[in-house]
Amino acid sequence: DADVTQTPRNRITKTGKRIMLECSQTKGHDRMYWYRQDPGLGLRLIYYSFDVKDINKGEISDGYSVSRQAQAKFSLSLESAIPNQTALYFCATSDLGQGGAGELFFGEGSRLTVL
Amino acid sequence: AQRVTQPEKLLSVFKGAPVELKCNYSYSGSPELFWYVQYSRQRLQLLLRHISRESIKGFTADLNKGETSFHLKKPFAQEEDSAMYYCALRPYSSASKIIFGSGTRLSIRP
Repeated sequence: DADVTQTPRNRITKTGKRIMLECSQTKGHDRMYWYRQDPGLGLRLIYYSFDVKDINKGEISDGYSVSRQAQAKFSLSLESAIPNQTALYFCATSDLGQGGAGELFFGEGSRLTVL
Repeated sequence: AQRVTQPEKLLSVFKGAPVELKCNYSYSGSPELFWYVQYSRQRLQLLLRHISRESIKGFTADLNKGETSFHLKKPFAQEEDSAMYYCALRPYSSASKIIFGSGTRLSIRP
């Protein structure tokens, strides 16, 4: 079934460690996004990519980096994790759609805890 | 700057009562507005968008450009409506991103 898959689903790590969250999709969408969800803050955009050669910073990109390895793969890295990066991370994809109204399709989320 | 505001973190209503989840936005141009919903143990998913002018699961939302609002309404709440609801905005440009509000948790009491 066409889907958005995130790995790992849960991860506990220590301060200073490098972490990579991976996202793959079988929807054939060009656009991919990484959001983080925090209680009371909703979803905040970290990075987004409109195609393999296009990477853009979102609202809260500091401390994160991304790689768009292929149309179907978009990875989020924390080079040196810190406790305030503890959050639920979502990958999403979208198609442009008619009139530019592309719906977002989300993965199940990756819960990251930084100790 | 574009912003989406959902003033209520939690809204609790009785089954059968009307529901209104508030959403206000700030954007100088013509935005696209959406409501996304996250039911327990399910993925975040699109509920409705303003350009469709449709009713989904009994919910409707009207874009009021004068008040810059896009409130979500349902005349009679059902227990299965309990979920987290996010209002979202996309500036009307193909090179733009979607911005979410902080979300409102709707709890329907039996």
